Amino acid sequence: DAGVIQSPRHEVTEMGQEVTLRCKPISGHDYLFWYRQTMMRGLELLIYFNNNVPIDDSGMPEDRFSAKMPNASFSTLKIQPSEPRDSAVYFCASSYSGQRRTEAFFGQGTRLTVV
Amino acid sequence: GDSVTQMEGPVTLSEEAFLTINCTYTATGYPSLFWYVQYPGEGLQLLLKATKADDKGSNKGFEATYRKETTSFHLEKGSVQVSDSAVYFCALREYGNKLVFGAGTILRVKS
Repeated sequence: DAGVIQSPRHEVTEMGQEVTLRCKPISGHDYLFWYRQTMMRGLELLIYFNNNVPIDDSGMPEDRFSAKMPNASFSTLKIQPSEPRDSAVYFCASSYSGQRRTEAFFGQGTRLTVV
Repeated sequence: GDSVTQMEGPVTLSEEAFLTINCTYTATGYPSLFWYVQYPGEGLQLLLKATKADDKGSNKGFEATYRKETTSFHLEKGSVQVSDSAVYFCALREYGNKLVFGAGTILRVKS
């Protein structure tokens, strides 16, 4: 398996623009997580899905952030409008519940810079 | 709620020194415990894990033992190398729930 695939790897955008980050989880995994990593705040869980349904979105910082999972093989994280303080590395991770309490597998991340 | 506390870094060691990174946790049930490693510019990779009390996870010379009585999962390595320089994250997960991460500990190994 190719692992968790995120795109793009790098994104530079201007303040006020819409940004969409994409994630393809590992085939057969039924959990998907979106994390944000910054120097100041470390690794933060934004939202996670189980069987394509959002379970906990309490980490989504503002209404400007939204996430969808239209099917088991694709998820998006959208920021509209973007702001400089959204600059961070965004990670997607997936896991399989069949073995219970299993580890998550991370993508390479998307480095977002909002100027 | 569940939480993980790691020792603050950075931890700076000379090559071949002994490494310990402390990790303690708070959980309502019986979580699985993990150590992840992040090399510069990369995502997090699973380093080792333990799923029940007294289990020892090990990989690449690193070890950690699930201690329920002290709610700890300290990471150790007998002899570190420059290539071990990275950020190390302790994490827990309860069944059907999210992964909870510690703040991460930067390790720097000097030759």
